[in-house]
Amino acid sequence: SQQGEEDPQALSIQEGENATMNCSYKTSINNLQWYRQNSGRGLVHLILIRSNEREKHSGRLRVTLDTSKKSSSLLITASRAADTASYFCAIQGAQKLVFGQGTRLTINP
Amino acid sequence: GAVVSQHPSWVICKSGTSVKIECRSLDFQATTMFWYRQFPKQSLMLMATSNEGSKATYEQGVEKDKFLINHASLTLSTLTVTSAHPEDSSFYICSASRGLSGANVLTFGAGSRLTVL
Repeated sequence: SQQGEEDPQALSIQEGENATMNCSYKTSINNLQWYRQNSGRGLVHLILIRSNEREKHSGRLRVTLDTSKKSSSLLITASRAADTASYFCAIQGAQKLVFGQGTRLTINP
Repeated sequence: GAVVSQHPSWVICKSGTSVKIECRSLDFQATTMFWYRQFPKQSLMLMATSNEGSKATYEQGVEKDKFLINHASLTLSTLTVTSAHPEDSSFYICSASRGLSGANVLTFGAGSRLTVL
């Protein structure tokens, strides 16, 4: 399956702590993307990392990609209550973007 | 930034009726739009790829006669759920590709929650 698998499925941490989510996949990829979804809403693109990149930063977000292990991680530093949402990785092969199952992140104030 | 508007945000209909959902790209032209279906606490399942001016490409297992997709202009794609049944109740989300340097970065609509009674 081309779908990414995310770990953990759910994560609950205290505000101010860092949150790490992982995504593993099985096929070769063009790029890997992370999206965020607030409950009952559409998805918002967070960050894209290409297959020839190993790490990218965007504000409090840090994404790593290890193509040898076919895995990626999303780190959110200094979490805030507003970061509570579901986070999905999406892998792009030749054309289609395929989403993982998502990690439900809860930030407790 | 790129904005995709989806309407209606929620709809309740009787079994056997048809429901149309609209997806508009407000500030960019979208030659390709994607329609997803999402069940509670699950991932997005790609239903079909909508191409402007041509027939949609449906994913395996998705009934094209059940889920009619029309992409008549560069800013509008519609999904019509025909003869809806309770099992069609779901969250439907459209997205448009911005085609960022060959990468398929998607801008999503806010989604439409369909409840079939």
